[in-house]
Amino acid sequence: EAQVTQNPRYLITVTGKKLTVTCSQNMNHEYMSWYRQDPGLGLRQIYYSMNVEVTDKGDVPEGYKVSRKEKRNFPLILESPSPNQTSLYFCASSPSFGPGWGELFFGSGTQLSVL
Amino acid sequence: AQTVTQSQPEMSVQEAETVTLSCTYDTSESNYYLFWYKQPPSRQMILVIRQEAYKQQNATENRFSVNFQKAAKSFSLKISDSQLGDTAMYFCAFMKHGYGYALNFGKGTSLLVTP
Repeated sequence: EAQVTQNPRYLITVTGKKLTVTCSQNMNHEYMSWYRQDPGLGLRQIYYSMNVEVTDKGDVPEGYKVSRKEKRNFPLILESPSPNQTSLYFCASSPSFGPGWGELFFGSGTQLSVL
Repeated sequence: AQTVTQSQPEMSVQEAETVTLSCTYDTSESNYYLFWYKQPPSRQMILVIRQEAYKQQNATENRFSVNFQKAAKSFSLKISDSQLGDTAMYFCAFMKHGYGYALNFGKGTSLLVTP
């Protein structure tokens, strides 16, 4: 089954404790991205990657890191989480050509709470 | 950055009725894509419909159709024969054609379908 898998679905942590949210897709998509969703603000892009070893900042990259060492994986790293990073996070992928071009396939989301 | 505005934070419709969700956007681009995504209580993001700006014909997907007015920069979603399963948050999104595939999302419209 074609899917984007995020883990964990729920995470509670404390300020300053490094964490990683994993994202993996099995559709051989070139493009992957991370969004955060906050009430009343919609979804905002954190980082994106056009292909292996190619990443770039989105609209709200502060406090986050990403890497793209393999095509299928795109982890989101919070090296020193703070309470303002409490949010619902989505990973998404998309093919860069073909009939599905531009359509984002989303993971199931990770609800992060930073105490 | 492109701005996407959804002016209706909440809407309600009775089952089997028709409802229209509004979306306007601001861009100087001539080539772009527009999307409506649905987010039910499960939090999963689901693509409802997409529209290429160069296409004059309005996109339709079963009970879902759009009214795309390029000059007015308007992209409304019409849901016909509303069903209880249509209860969800709906997000309008804009994507500029070219490198990046970044979607700019509106803040969302919460739609409640009542029996």
